[in-house]
Amino acid sequence: GAGVSQSPSNKVTEKGKDVELRCDPISGHTALYWYRQRLGQGLEFLIYFQGNSAPDKSGLPSDRFSAERTGESVSTLTIQRTQQEDSAVYLCASSLGPAGGLQGTQYFGPGTRLTVL
Amino acid sequence: QKEVEQNSGPLSVPEGAIASLNCTYSDRGSQSFFWYRQYSGKSPELIMSIYSNGDKEDGRFTAQLNKASQYVSLLIRDSQPSDSATYLCAVNEGLSSNFGNEKLTFGTGTRLTIIP
Repeated sequence: GAGVSQSPSNKVTEKGKDVELRCDPISGHTALYWYRQRLGQGLEFLIYFQGNSAPDKSGLPSDRFSAERTGESVSTLTIQRTQQEDSAVYLCASSLGPAGGLQGTQYFGPGTRLTVL
Repeated sequence: QKEVEQNSGPLSVPEGAIASLNCTYSDRGSQSFFWYRQYSGKSPELIMSIYSNGDKEDGRFTAQLNKASQYVSLLIRDSQPSDSATYLCAVNEGLSSNFGNEKLTFGTGTRLTIIP
């Protein structure tokens, strides 16, 4: 079946502009995650959605970052007033169930490479 | 602050040898452990998951978990050049549906190079 998809695959923007990144999880997956990965670095957790529960936003680095999810489908990550330090690959992952359970295996999308000039 | 530590490498292993990747974690309550492989410029993909102490084997891969020592490892037997990648260890707390403790904490990864 179809995997996690993300769009755009690449985004180049000017400092100060807003950007929206989109994630389509695997159908039926209740959990959705956003991560950031800077060049040569590990994965940095940003936000986690689980079903209709309030999202875990503890990883968002500043109030310029926000994310929404419609039910158990598409999610958008919005970065306002982008800065050069926001340049990274933004990865989305989904899982069938909560991360702590046996259905918690995360499947990653191909990522969006964001470059802020 | 939950922490997952990995040696960043690079780790160089001759083709055909055993590659051993190690990971330690700080949260004694951790219950779920994962190894992901990430090729350069690609997304992470799951290699192994392990939940109980001991060894779990899948083909050329063996995951080993020792909760008392807070240590999880990945062994790759008969290493192939195609195994060259960064290996990410990820740890989660809890097997229950206790929302709020669900996210995975990833290590920074170990870069593995298999030398032909």
